[in-house]
Amino acid sequence: NAGVTQTPKFQVLKTGQSMTLQCAQDMNHNSMYWYRQDPGMGLRLIYYSASEGTTDKGEVPNGYNVSRLNKREFSLRLESAAPSQTSVYFCASSGYREGTNYGYTFGSGTRLTVV
Amino acid sequence: GDSVTQMEGPVTLSEEAFLTINCTYTATGYPSLFWYVQYPGEGLQLLLKATKADDKGSNKGFEATYRKETTSFHLEKGSVQVSDSAVYFCALRYSGAGSYQLTFGKGTKLSVIP
Repeated sequence: NAGVTQTPKFQVLKTGQSMTLQCAQDMNHNSMYWYRQDPGMGLRLIYYSASEGTTDKGEVPNGYNVSRLNKREFSLRLESAAPSQTSVYFCASSGYREGTNYGYTFGSGTRLTVV
Repeated sequence: GDSVTQMEGPVTLSEEAFLTINCTYTATGYPSLFWYVQYPGEGLQLLLKATKADDKGSNKGFEATYRKETTSFHLEKGSVQVSDSAVYFCALRYSGAGSYQLTFGKGTKLSVIP
């Protein structure tokens, strides 16, 4: 089925370890996003990529890096994980067509615990 | 900056009750407005949207009307079901050139009991 695929679904890290969250979409969308979801905080934007070759910081970028590998793939890297990065991470993509204003398509999330 | 404020939950209703979840926004220009739903253990799904003033979005019995004069986009359903139990997020997207970021409210958890 068409959509946004995130891997892994679950991950436990020790403080200081690094990891990369993978995201791929097959809808030919130009824009991709990484959000984190924490209780009582809603969704907060970490980084986004408006189009292939560009990335920009969102509301909470500290401690993260991203790579827009190609139009399909947008990865999120934690270089040195901290307990404050325990969260559920969502990748999303969106497309735009003149005269239409599309919403986002979300992946199913990665539940990350840092101990 | 742009922001969305939605009523805090959790909200608990009996099956077949009427649902209203309030959402108001602050934005420059003329944003598009969305409601997303998140079922337990899943990602967010688009429920409905409205792109200009007085538009009504509707889906699965849910409705919301874009009210520019009150800067609101309240979600309503006439008769909720147990299967509607989920977290609901109001969101806006500014329609300015090159800006497709969504700004979310904090979410409202709805529990429907039989």
